[in-house]
Amino acid sequence: DGGITQSPKYLFRKEGQNVTLSCEQNLNHDAMYWYRQDPGQGLRLIYYSQIVNDFQKGDIAEGYSVSREKKESFPLTVTSAQKNPTAFYLCASSIRTGDGYTFGSGTRLTVV
Amino acid sequence: AQSVTQLGSHVSVSEGALVLLRCNYSSSVPPYLFWYVQYPNQGLQLLLKYTSAATLVKGINGFEAEFKKSETSFHLTKPSAHMSDAAEYFCAVSGALFEKLTFGTGTRLTIIP
Repeated sequence: DGGITQSPKYLFRKEGQNVTLSCEQNLNHDAMYWYRQDPGQGLRLIYYSQIVNDFQKGDIAEGYSVSREKKESFPLTVTSAQKNPTAFYLCASSIRTGDGYTFGSGTRLTVV
Repeated sequence: AQSVTQLGSHVSVSEGALVLLRCNYSSSVPPYLFWYVQYPNQGLQLLLKYTSAATLVKGINGFEAEFKKSETSFHLTKPSAHMSDAAEYFCAVSGALFEKLTFGTGTRLTIIP
């Protein structure tokens, strides 16, 4: 079955370390997105990509970086510059917006 | 630019009672509207979507929503709540076919036995 796979489910990071969250889809979707979710704040867009080798900053891109070298993969790196990285991170994809997004099951990142 | 407002961050209903979750949107063009559900520690799942066809949209798990242009609303309803409906619900809007979605801040639904 097609879908989006995020790994790992839970991730612990020491302060000052970079960490990369994986997002892979086999839906043949062109667009992919990264959201951050904090309690009471809904979903906030970090980065999105509408085509391979191209991506745009979302509303809260500072301290994050992405790459889109393959259509099916859109990894997110949380750098040490992100001051408050502990959150639930969601990856999504879409063939076109009118069809809605398909979401992964999320990665919960905790800084220790 | 598009925006969406969900009225009520927390809603509690008794099992078997009507569920009503409110969503109002702002859009300069005819919108695409969506409702998603999220269970704890999981991703979002699409419940239903409005894309300018019928104004009453039926979704999964017995939910439906009605697009009311005059009220700029897209409220989500279910006639009879079930314990398994307890989750967080998000309304989202887009103004064009290839435009990214804007999400509301979510409504947490609690079902009282």
